[in-house]
Formats: sequence, C-alpha cells, structure tokens
Amino acid sequence: EPEVTQTPSHQVTQMGQEVILRCVPISNHLYFYWYRQILGQKVEFLVSFYNNEISEKSEIFDDQFSVERPDGSNFTLKIRSTKLEDSAMYFCASSPGQLLLAPLHFGNGTRLTVT
Amino acid sequence: DQQVKQNSPSLSVQEGRISILNCDYTNSMFDYFLWYKKYPAEGPTFLISISSIKDKNEDGRFTVFLNKSAKHLSLHIVPSQPGDSAVYFCAATVNNNDMRFGAGTRLTVKP
Repeated sequence: EPEVTQTPSHQVTQMGQEVILRCVPISNHLYFYWYRQILGQKVEFLVSFYNNEISEKSEIFDDQFSVERPDGSNFTLKIRSTKLEDSAMYFCASSPGQLLLAPLHFGNGTRLTVT
Repeated sequence: DQQVKQNSPSLSVQEGRISILNCDYTNSMFDYFLWYKKYPAEGPTFLISISSIKDKNEDGRFTVFLNKSAKHLSLHIVPSQPGDSAVYFCAATVNNNDMRFGAGTRLTVKP
C-alpha cells in the first residue's frame, strides 16, 4: 500500500537555525498537510496545501514557517529561525480529496529537537 | 483551543470485552468526525468516520456513535484485541477544512 514518507526521522538543530522537513506524499494525492504534536500534547493543525498554494493555516503557522512543493513529489516545511518551543513531532499528511471524501494518510513523522 | 476533548487519557480493557472511547466537542459547526489510531513511532492512521447527519457508523468491530445534542461521540470496539492497544485520537472538521484533534486516549487491551 502506498505510504507517505518523511525524512529525516529525527532532526536536531540549534535555536535560530533554519530547518527543512521533507515529505513525499502519496503520488496521486492532491491535498497536503502539516501537523505537529508537542510531546504529551495533542496533534495540532499547521497548514493545508492544494493546487500549489496554501488553502488554510492555523495561528501557529506564523511568518517563521513556509511550505513548498518544489517538484511533483516533495512537500517541504521550512522553519526559518527555530525556537525551543518548535521542538515537536511533525507529521505530513496527504489525501486524494477533501476530508469528507477521503481521510488523511499520515507519515511516520519527523522528531524535531531544538537545543 | 479545546474544541475537541478526550477527557480520559487512558483506558484498560480485557481482551474480548468492549472498549468505549469517548470524545466531546464544543463547536456546533463541526460537520464531520473521525477517529484515528496511532502506534508508537508511527503517524496516525484513519480508523472510522461519521458525518453529522448520521448518528451511527459501523465497520467491522468498530462503531462510532454521534450524539449531536450532547456534542458527544464515542468509539466502540468489540471484541477488543491486544493489537488494538494504541492511542486513539478523535478529530472533527468544519466544511472540509483543518481537522481539530483531541488529546488522545491510550487504550491498553490485556490478554
């Protein structure tokens, strides 16, 4: 069965550094998402992406965050200047259609540790 | 933001018995509800969903019940199996937009 793949599985970075989290969604999917889960807390929505543009973003997704689909296969999340509180598990997800028609398929996540 | 609440952080059930996981929500605009299951070191996996126009949806051992007046939904697993041990997240959405997740309930099914 096709999977959403995320790399790296664990990223350690120093505060203030830029990080790029990479995701390869399922190939025929059209909707792409980033979620994060701070340790011990709930899964939080960051951003959704459709037709090469952001369709929805949360209050967490501020100017430090950006997303890109640079080619036909990758979907990236960039954090420009990381803060300690950005430490979390970041999940990429994709879907062939809107949520009512097609639930999300999640990757296994990238654990980001900011020191 | 506590629009979706799972008030029980954990639940322990004997194999073969019923597991009931509960979820409450505050936003009456939610029109679609989902349950996801998460194993350690993996992303959440879709389990079952229900539209707000229904009050029950069943898929094998899994049944989701929705009580709109009480803003409450529940996931029933019967019979429970040890492989069902995982964290279960309730989620809700409005108009196909971003999902709001609950904090999760860790289910342990004992053999």
